Amino acid sequence: GQSLEQPSEVTAVEGAIVQINCTYQTSGFYGLSWYQQHDGGAPTFLSYNGLDGLEETGRFSSFLSRSDSYGYLLLQELQMKDSASYFCVGPSFNKFYFGSGTKLNVKP
Amino acid sequence: EADIYQTPRYLVIGTGKKITLECSQTMGHDKMYWYQQDPGMELHLIHYSYGVNSTEKGDLSSESTVSRIRTEHFPLTLESARPSHTSQYLCASSEYEGQYGYTFGSGTRLTVV
Repeated sequence: GQSLEQPSEVTAVEGAIVQINCTYQTSGFYGLSWYQQHDGGAPTFLSYNGLDGLEETGRFSSFLSRSDSYGYLLLQELQMKDSASYFCVGPSFNKFYFGSGTKLNVKP
Repeated sequence: EADIYQTPRYLVIGTGKKITLECSQTMGHDKMYWYQQDPGMELHLIHYSYGVNSTEKGDLSSESTVSRIRTEHFPLTLESARPSHTSQYLCASSEYEGQYGYTFGSGTRLTVV
């Protein structure tokens, strides 16, 4: 089966850096995506790693190591508006599998 | 400007009623999906479609049905709603696997009383 594991909750202060890890046990994943979802809202696409290594998009970076079945999302210069749930997602054979989600709490 | 539209945004209905949740996208995407999500929980795939006249059940057992008669339209129907169907239903579409990800609609929050 497909499974993606994430920590359930992370707390950090404004201005800090936080890393959200994702480990997966699956077959057929050809990359890893990250989504952000605010309470009551719909998930929005943040980033995609199709190759091993680091992808940077502004304050957010995402990393993938397919040999280790591991990836992470790095958020820098945290802002209050970054408080949300973050999901890693594995695309496989025309379907996307969502991780369990990490709730990020940013405190002043 | 939203490219994928879901209606209604909120719905409260009685047990046993038949309902259809609407989803339309203007991006010409072939692939469309329905997810179910309880508050604070992960998303579960309930139906997906690769294109017109193509529909498949997802990984979460669901008593709903879908149809795909037009590329832009992917409605989900519950023939007889039950309180256990209370949840948020999210529609999404995609063009290429992975790279561009999903585009999600705003969701329909369904309450069955």
